[in-house]
Amino acid sequence: DVKVTQSSRYLVKRTGEKVFLECVQDMDHENMFWYRQDPGLGLRLIYFSYDVKMKEKGDIPEGYSVSREKKERFSLILESASTNQTSMYLCASSTPDRVNQPQHFGDGTRLSIL
Amino acid sequence: QKEVEQNSGPLSVPEGAIASLNCTYSDRVSQSFFWYRQYSGKSPELIMSIYSNGDKEDGRFTAQLNKASQYVSLLIRDSQPSDSATYLCAVKTFSNTGNQFYFGTGTSLTVIP
Repeated sequence: DVKVTQSSRYLVKRTGEKVFLECVQDMDHENMFWYRQDPGLGLRLIYFSYDVKMKEKGDIPEGYSVSREKKERFSLILESASTNQTSMYLCASSTPDRVNQPQHFGDGTRLSIL
Repeated sequence: QKEVEQNSGPLSVPEGAIASLNCTYSDRVSQSFFWYRQYSGKSPELIMSIYSNGDKEDGRFTAQLNKASQYVSLLIRDSQPSDSATYLCAVKTFSNTGNQFYFGTGTSLTVIP
């Protein structure tokens, strides 16, 4: 089974802090994704990466950056946390190799910015 | 225009009934389709995938795909209270370098004992 591991389930930070969310997958997937999920808004794509050292902006990249130094690890960085970044953050991975391969999600990080 | 549309619900069905969840998509090059179940406070978990026209059955779940109508649905037979969750429809498209997934906002299902 694919395992996507997010470093924290719950995280509380203060406004202005630099926040790191880590995600590791164990299936050698090329593609990795970061989403945030808010009530009534569904999943919104922040950034994604098709391979090591590659990154692409999603729909809502403002205030975020990412790092993909190793294939298995994709980090989301909140450069200067703000209260409107309080949300559930979900990491996912997938492989482009086969048509029917889905995205696999981590357990999520519920981030609160005070 | 949204890529993937779902009725947000809430959809309520009595225990033992059939729950029908619907999803339409706008991109004709979409290749694969997925249904995820998400319990409150949890992450989405995959329950069904389909990429050929027709029906695909797995236990109490049946996914139906009609590419001509750009329509995919999920039927849950003999609904149980444990099926109460939000169901996300996802559509996968392909590019030269990778793939993209587009998610609906989800349909909330409540199964009433």
